[in-house]
Amino acid sequence: AQSVAQPEDQVNVAEGNPLTVKCTYSVSGNPYLFWYVQYPNRGLQFLLKYITGDNLVKGSYGFEAEFNKSQTSFHLKKPSALVSDSALYFCAVRDIDGGRRALTFGSGTRLQVQP
Amino acid sequence: SQTIHQWPATLVQPVGSPLSLECTVEGTSNPNLYWYRQAAGRGLQLLFYSVGIGQISSEVPQNLSASRPQDRQFILSSKKLLLSDSGFYLCAYLQGTYGYTFGSGTRLTVV
Repeated sequence: AQSVAQPEDQVNVAEGNPLTVKCTYSVSGNPYLFWYVQYPNRGLQFLLKYITGDNLVKGSYGFEAEFNKSQTSFHLKKPSALVSDSALYFCAVRDIDGGRRALTFGSGTRLQVQP
Repeated sequence: SQTIHQWPATLVQPVGSPLSLECTVEGTSNPNLYWYRQAAGRGLQLLFYSVGIGQISSEVPQNLSASRPQDRQFILSSKKLLLSDSGFYLCAYLQGTYGYTFGSGTRLTVV
């Protein structure tokens, strides 16, 4: 079964500094990876996905993620953090095959950007 | 355009009462539909999914059930709520191969 791990419960960064939110995955085969963001009491908003192609994926709101097959990682990054980026971030992997085609999520990482 | 509606937004129910949460999708046909639960503001657990009308698969044995009476309607139910059913419930659908869209969620508090 596939899984993703987010090793940090919380990441703190100062506004204007670069940020990284870590994610590692475990799948048999080529992974389909996603990042979502959640604001308090809201649904999930899509940031970006990796299906195939370039290892550096650019997404919404200035976020990007780097797919690293050898390290089985898919870390989320942003060159300059904003206070408004403070939220809960989820990494997810999609089922490789079968009709379910569901997303399996990591435990989430809370990003806190200090002014 | 595709949209997803989920209601109610918040719900406070006593232990032992029934539950019905509804999710409807617009602008797409025959989508895969999903119910997730998020406990304590953290990870999301897949509860049910459906690949078509009347087709429900349960991921976790529990006090809840799901139904899909129409192509774009997905209902989460319980006959008798438990305290442990409290949480944030999210409905989602899959458009195409990789396009997942989530509803705005229902905060359920069982008292």
